[in-house]
Amino acid sequence: IAGITQAPTSQILAAGRRMTLRCTQDMRHNAMYWYRQDLGLGLRLIHYSNTAGTTGKGEVPDGYSVSRANTDDFPLTLASAVPSQTSVYFCASSDSDRGEAFFGQGTRLTVV
Amino acid sequence: AQSVAQPEDQVNVAEGNPLTVKCTYSVSGNPYLFWYVQYPNRGLQFLLKYITGDNLVKGSYGFEAEFNKSQTSFHLKKPSALVSDSALYFCAVRDRNSGNTPLVFGKGTRLSVIA
Repeated sequence: IAGITQAPTSQILAAGRRMTLRCTQDMRHNAMYWYRQDLGLGLRLIHYSNTAGTTGKGEVPDGYSVSRANTDDFPLTLASAVPSQTSVYFCASSDSDRGEAFFGQGTRLTVV
Repeated sequence: AQSVAQPEDQVNVAEGNPLTVKCTYSVSGNPYLFWYVQYPNRGLQFLLKYITGDNLVKGSYGFEAEFNKSQTSFHLKKPSALVSDSALYFCAVRDRNSGNTPLVFGKGTRLSVIA
């Protein structure tokens, strides 16, 4: 089934550790996004990529980095995790400005 | 800058009654508007979108939404609520003049349908 795959599904991480959240799509969408979801705050954009080889910062980029080496993959890296990065992370993609975004199932990350 | 407001954190409705989940938006140009639903421990699922044309948009699971440009609103509606509609609902906007930019989401409205 076509869609977005995120890994891991959940993770408990010690503060200060490095972590990469993986995201792969098989829809050949140009644009990909990372959002975090926190209670009462909705979804906030971390980073995005409009096409392979380009990335941009969203609303809450600090402490996170991304790369887009090819169309399908868009990993999100936490260089040195802090407890405030405890959240549910969603990867999404879209094919055009008129297109809806398709979401993965999310990664629940707890930083302790 | 684009923004979305969902003024109600929680909406409660009895099963069989009509439901409305409110959304207002702000963009510099004309909007593309979207509604999503999220069930517990799941990702967001697309419900419907307004791109152009008829202001009344019909989507999945019997939901519909009406685009009102003068009121900058895009309220989600359903004529008869089901208990299974209980979930978290998100409205999102993209400025039509900004290309394929990320969607901007509201904070979400939790819908509870009571049997």
